[in-house]
Amino acid sequence: AQKITQTQPGMFVQEKEAVTLDCTYDTSDPSYGLFWYKQPSSGEMIFLIYQGSYDQQNATEGRYSLNFQKARKSANLVISASQLGDSAMYFCAMREGYNNNDMRFGAGTRLTVKP
Amino acid sequence: DTEVTQTPKHLVMGMTNKKSLKCEQHMGHRAMYWYKQKAKKPPELMFVYSYEKLSINESVPSRFSPECPNSSLLNLHLHALQPEDSALYLCASSLKTTGSYEQYFGPGTRLTVT
Repeated sequence: AQKITQTQPGMFVQEKEAVTLDCTYDTSDPSYGLFWYKQPSSGEMIFLIYQGSYDQQNATEGRYSLNFQKARKSANLVISASQLGDSAMYFCAMREGYNNNDMRFGAGTRLTVKP
Repeated sequence: DTEVTQTPKHLVMGMTNKKSLKCEQHMGHRAMYWYKQKAKKPPELMFVYSYEKLSINESVPSRFSPECPNSSLLNLHLHALQPEDSALYLCASSLKTTGSYEQYFGPGTRLTVT
């Protein structure tokens, strides 16, 4: 069964605007971690932000913030003040349990920033 | 230095060839991973090494053979591959396999099997 769902295959945003990329997940384990990665056309996966299931505050890293709604099992990525260099594929990923080193990815969302 | 390097960047090989992919990190990470990524798909986990021991093998065909000679190096030996094995092969590392440690990825090797 799909554990990570990204329902937006593609998104467009105007430069300098904010954009939200959706991610929902499914797990029965109370301990889990959620990750967002960016993959430009060059292929490298770039780590953006992490949210732990026990974290009380939403994670933020510069222009990236994670809107974590535990009851709804959603972990949406918010990118503020979009830049042309933000155009890339974005993957949401989850690792369940503390001792589980298996990280599963969603299908991804391709973001295009328009000038 | 948060860098994972992979060589070669591109590789074209025939179905009867033997080749190896190499991955290296000098961040002191004790967990290293191989992923396979087909075009327009998310990465799929192939192998996980924890403290130089294989801890996960995701039912990968035996024509893929991983090797972890030391804590900084990870190899993927390829033999008798099929055209459907053409993909981007990503290496990653993390401080440990447990807990909340993020994985750092290399730039990948684009493999074409002819």
